[in-house]
Amino acid sequence: GQQLNQSPQSMFIQEGEDVSMNCTSSSIFNTWLWYKQDPGEGPVLLIALYKAGELTSNGRLTAQFGITRKDSFLNISASIPSDVGIYFCAGLALGGGGADGLTFGKGTHLIIQP
Amino acid sequence: DTAVSQTPKYLVTQMGNDKSIKCEQNLGHDTMYWYKQDSKKFLKIMFSYNNKELIINETVPNRFSPKSPDKAHLNLHINSLELGDSAVYFCASSQGGQGYQETQYFGPGTRLLVL
Repeated sequence: GQQLNQSPQSMFIQEGEDVSMNCTSSSIFNTWLWYKQDPGEGPVLLIALYKAGELTSNGRLTAQFGITRKDSFLNISASIPSDVGIYFCAGLALGGGGADGLTFGKGTHLIIQP
Repeated sequence: DTAVSQTPKYLVTQMGNDKSIKCEQNLGHDTMYWYKQDSKKFLKIMFSYNNKELIINETVPNRFSPKSPDKAHLNLHINSLELGDSAVYFCASSQGGQGYQETQYFGPGTRLLVL
């Protein structure tokens, strides 16, 4: 089946630093989604990307849909303590009907040292 | 108002029991999903339903049976629970049927512990 390689697996950074994480795939996706999961909660959608080459921002977050449709990155600028959590990339290869399950990366654990 | 809600949030039960997890979405979406998150936080699709019809059934033991009484609800029934079923189960929903610009929204999860 499809697999997403998400890196890094974890990041230990200082407050105020910028963060960058990415996902790559061996197959093409038509949609890339980035989620954040806090402890004890469900994944919360951060950014949705629908077109190859698309660059989208949401506050301090910026994500891009790779031109080859096989990769995506997420950047967080000027990190703050509440950015701590697990960030997941997820890809969707629509086969029609829009009911396909997401393929998830294994997550990037972000830890911020004050 | 909670868009995708699940009950219960925590479920602790003995091996061999039968249990159900309920999910409801008030987003007017046509498609609902069940995902399983293991102890290493890996999320994997189990089922998807589009307008009460089963679309995806991944390689999940047939002890797991989804039931959709209407398009706003997708419940998960698990028979003869095993230790390996311990995980966090997430319900999600999406507009569905469009074939493009699909975004899935997740519930808060049900933490199942089988003893």
